[in-house]
Amino acid sequence: SAVISQKPSRDICQRGTSLTIQCQVDSQVTMMFWYRQQPGQSLTLIATANQGSEATYESGFVIDKFPISRPNLTFSTLTVSNMSPEDSSIYLCSAGEPNRGSSEQYFGPGTRLTVT
Amino acid sequence: AQSVSQHNHHVILSEAASLELGCNYSYGGTVNLFWYVQYPGQHLQLLLKYFSGDPLVKGIKGFEAEFIKSKFSFNLRKPSVQWSDTAEYFCAVNAQGTDKLIFGTGTRLQVFP
Repeated sequence: SAVISQKPSRDICQRGTSLTIQCQVDSQVTMMFWYRQQPGQSLTLIATANQGSEATYESGFVIDKFPISRPNLTFSTLTVSNMSPEDSSIYLCSAGEPNRGSSEQYFGPGTRLTVT
Repeated sequence: AQSVSQHNHHVILSEAASLELGCNYSYGGTVNLFWYVQYPGQHLQLLLKYFSGDPLVKGIKGFEAEFIKSKFSFNLRKPSVQWSDTAEYFCAVNAQGTDKLIFGTGTRLQVFP
């Protein structure tokens, strides 16, 4: 299994600013994903971070708000842009390898974001 | 669209009690099924998974889950819980051939000694 770290672990940000979250995997992985977990709710996939190409966003999430980079097979960043209090959430990175037609995913510790 | 339902939002048990957490999904095709656990202050960890074969799968720490295709269910069980099982449990599904995981809302389990 892959070991995943995220930075920062938590942050308090002001409305209108942006925050970039980093995700580092200890081995090369094919797939990397970004999720959001809002208070009291489940995990929602924001996008799949593709190495060498644009991320694939889920319905309701757009590149202007959540730009993603994936420069290599072990690293990705998610930026939360022009933040509002509604963006307060835990943001999770995961990594996966295709396995029998599916991707078994391993998760980072998350970044707890509070927007004031 | 795929969805996952976890019926129990909060479960409180005494040590040695038996546990069963419900998980139902809606999707007409072939699926892969997962249970993840998040212990207090820790990150999500894979507890067990089902891809194919024996519908009764065993995971770490004495947990098991049974896939019942006709009921679209993948319930998690443990015959005797311990205080250290206190955690949040998430059921997740993805359609075979895709990488997208759909999570349930989670069940918070509290075990008292």
